[in-house]
Amino acid sequence: QVQLVQSGAEVKKPGASVKVSCKASGYTFTGYYMHWVRQAPGQGLEWMGWINPNSGGTNYAQKFQGWVTMTRDTSISTAYMELSRLRSDDTAVYYCARGLAAAGRGWFDPWGQGTLVTVSS
Amino acid sequence: QSVLTQPPSASGTPGQRVTISCSGSSSNIGSNYVYWYQQLPGTAPKLLIYRNNQRPSGVPDRFSGSKSGTSASLAISGLRSEDEADYYCAAWDDSLSGHRFGGGTKLTVL
Repeated sequence: QVQLVQSGAEVKKPGASVKVSCKASGYTFTGYYMHWVRQAPGQGLEWMGWINPNSGGTNYAQKFQGWVTMTRDTSISTAYMELSRLRSDDTAVYYCARGLAAAGRGWFDPWGQGTLVTVSS
Repeated sequence: QSVLTQPPSASGTPGQRVTISCSGSSSNIGSNYVYWYQQLPGTAPKLLIYRNNQRPSGVPDRFSGSKSGTSASLAISGLRSEDEADYYCAAWDDSLSGHRFGGGTKLTVL
């Protein structure tokens, strides 16, 4: 079955970087865009951007441009999201989600289990 | 403030029909598909509706979606206690060149 398994929880200090991984299985990794979405505690969902695993091309939400880097390793069917210059308000659960249809404009299914990133001094 | 506007809460009793609205603009709902996601407490979101009104396999037909102009809605009929969750609408926004989510609606089954 299609599955996305993310790396474990992280605790980082302000100003540091974090890199979250998302391992895909059950489908052709390079055939579908991978999106990243975050959710601050008690808050709603916020789309961060996508990566095209086939070409490596990316599209970041304007808010995250210059601050987030999405990469992939096709040999191990894994996508990565790295966020730099962390602040306390970056504390959130970060999800990866497979994108379906329409070159990045489609829907997300399935989602990874989420990775809690806590930013605290 | 979210680009897509949802009521923060909704409620109903078991067996009732509940609708959740999602209001957008011409650059998002007005020109693109709407998607709905269900997030049960403490879990990752799950796809509920795609392409305005299509249900993935495994989603009960109690859930239905519709769209008209720059607004969309999710209807849940025969409400059950396990439907208690947060519901999010989403759409691509041409002006922002990105996906946008509604602020989410917390559904309570009384």
